[in-house]
Amino acid sequence: GQQLNQSPQSMFIQEGEDVSMNCTSSSIFNTWLWYKQDPGEGPVLLIALYKAGELTSNGRLTAQFGITRKDSFLNISASIPSDVGIYFCAGMLTGTASKLTFGTGTRLQVTL
Amino acid sequence: DSGVTQTPKHLITATGQRVTLRCSPRSGDLSVYWYQQSLDQGLQFLIQYYNGEERAKGNILERFSAQQFPDLHSELNLSSLELGDSALYFCASTLSPYSGSQNEQFFGPGTRLTVL
Repeated sequence: GQQLNQSPQSMFIQEGEDVSMNCTSSSIFNTWLWYKQDPGEGPVLLIALYKAGELTSNGRLTAQFGITRKDSFLNISASIPSDVGIYFCAGMLTGTASKLTFGTGTRLQVTL
Repeated sequence: DSGVTQTPKHLITATGQRVTLRCSPRSGDLSVYWYQQSLDQGLQFLIQYYNGEERAKGNILERFSAQQFPDLHSELNLSSLELGDSALYFCASTLSPYSGSQNEQFFGPGTRLTVL
């Protein structure tokens, strides 16, 4: 099945640093979502984007819907240990169904 | 807590067997989605139901089937299990079957299936 390309695949950062990750697709989406998954748990929705060019924040998280509608970006500012986990982007096309196409994930590890 | 519940949390079975995974959507949600997460394929959409009817199908094998009952809970049936079916299976729910603002998918905690 299709997966969106996320980069970086993994990253080790120090507490307090800012983090950036992105997600690219070969096809356009009308909606971009960012989820975080902890080990053994289900994905938890962080941010939803519905319009090309949209910039949305949720606390220390900021995400952008790319102008081409083929990419999205997530930034985490001043990272803390609980930011550890796997971050997934997901794209969705509006229509009669709303299935999500997920990215390959970015594993984030934060050191003290 | 997303409000979506899934049982069982873990399931260990043998090849060739059949299992049933259960999902209860968030209160008020009418649409249920099933996803499979494996190491090699990542998170993949399997199937969507809305108010008891199948709405969309993804990469779901013929050995797998699902249904949504009148009380809106859903079951995913996996038969003739193979080693490669070992994965995490997630259920998500939304109010409407259509994508859009205020209709984001919220995921349950998942069922980890191990086929030996």
